[in-house]
Amino acid sequence: ETGVTQTPRHLVMGMTNKKSLKCEQHLGHNAMYWYKQSAKKPLELMFVYSLEERVENNSVPSRFSPECPNSSHLFLHLHTLQPEDSALYLCASSQDEKGFDEAFFGQGTRLTVV
Amino acid sequence: GQNIDQPTEMTATEGAIVQINCTYQTSGFNGLFWYQQHAGEAPTFLSYNVLDGLEEKGRFSSFLSRSKGYSYLLLKELQMKDSASYLCAVRDNYGQNFVFGPGTRLSVLP
Repeated sequence: ETGVTQTPRHLVMGMTNKKSLKCEQHLGHNAMYWYKQSAKKPLELMFVYSLEERVENNSVPSRFSPECPNSSHLFLHLHTLQPEDSALYLCASSQDEKGFDEAFFGQGTRLTVV
Repeated sequence: GQNIDQPTEMTATEGAIVQINCTYQTSGFNGLFWYQQHAGEAPTFLSYNVLDGLEEKGRFSSFLSRSKGYSYLLLKELQMKDSASYLCAVRDNYGQNFVFGPGTRLSVLP
């Protein structure tokens, strides 16, 4: 079992649909992240949660709504998305000690909006 | 603002040595990380620098100069499986945000 698990691995949704991405980490980490990775663009930070509290919201449109019910689980709720939102969505976790630990990534959800 | 630069693509030959450079300008600095990402897979951690100098880890080494805002990843004895994207990331002053560069796509040829 990998340390950070994301489901589903692939998702195709229409612009009027509502769906959720799930992330679970089994590493005992305190911080969790959502990143968006589009073709030929750097990884873009979307949200950061530390001890279940959102500490950063990087100017993300409201059609993306994160939820962190506990330190092991992170969700990204999606509604009325646009085709340009099609991308790889990566979840990551870290120990939350400043500077001295790396981020561990999940395998990602490949999202296609049609 | 936050800005991290890397070459877009590099090509090298199996068995050779390649150096991937990274320059950064960020609002703060709390460590520099290198990740490897194969196509369709998650990024995996390679190395970490917080002090100036060279960190060696088997075939991979990473160097940091904080005064120059510069790092490089050195890959020795290249293998075909090293063909991947290499991402440079800086952890900023807040300590929780990893700012990523665009990645360098390395192709290792036989």
